Amino acid sequence: AQSVTQLGSHVSVSEGALVLLRCNYSSSVPPYLFWYVQYPNQGLQLLLKYTTGATLVKGINGFEAEFKKSETSFHLTKPSAHMSDAAEYFCAVSDPSGAGSYQLTFGKGTKLSVIP
Amino acid sequence: KAGVTQTPRYLIKTRGQQVTLSCSPISGHRSVSWYQQTPGQGLQFLFEYFSETQRNKGNFPGRFSGRQFSNSRSEMNVSTLELGDSALYLCASSSPGTSTNTGELFFGEGSRLTVL
Repeated sequence: AQSVTQLGSHVSVSEGALVLLRCNYSSSVPPYLFWYVQYPNQGLQLLLKYTTGATLVKGINGFEAEFKKSETSFHLTKPSAHMSDAAEYFCAVSDPSGAGSYQLTFGKGTKLSVIP
Repeated sequence: KAGVTQTPRYLIKTRGQQVTLSCSPISGHRSVSWYQQTPGQGLQFLFEYFSETQRNKGNFPGRFSGRQFSNSRSEMNVSTLELGDSALYLCASSSPGTSTNTGELFFGEGSRLTVL
């Protein structure tokens, strides 16, 4: 079974500082990797995804992530934090379960606080 | 294009009752998945439906069931509610069967169930 580990359940950064949210995964096959964001009382919104090709993936709102197979990592970064980035972030790996069915395995989430 | 719609958004039930949650996927999406989100367990996969058939199921007791209709709308049902069933239930749709399918999910805003 696949698993996803997000280091740090809470991360605080100052406005304008670098955001770095860590994600490591375990997978026996080449994975598809995702970062989702969740604002209070809302569902999950896709930030970015890695499928194949370029290992540096750019997403919405200035976020990007780099797939490093040797480190089994997919860390999320943003050069300069904005107050609106305060939310909970989830890393997920896609687990092809056969017959075209995909199941996402999520990390526990990292709550990002941005300090003015 | 309308997103994934879940109803009701909030509901309160008492132990022993049952509940039915509804999900309308994005138009054209034929796969619907359900996830349970709790502070302790995080996001956990319940089941996935495609063309009115359950294609994949997570590790939940039989009290949790679902179905999908010919128009791809889905419902999930929880019988004999327990306090631990209090959670945010998220529905997600996707469009599998295409060459770009990677398991990317589009989530609704969720149905928050409180069991008293």
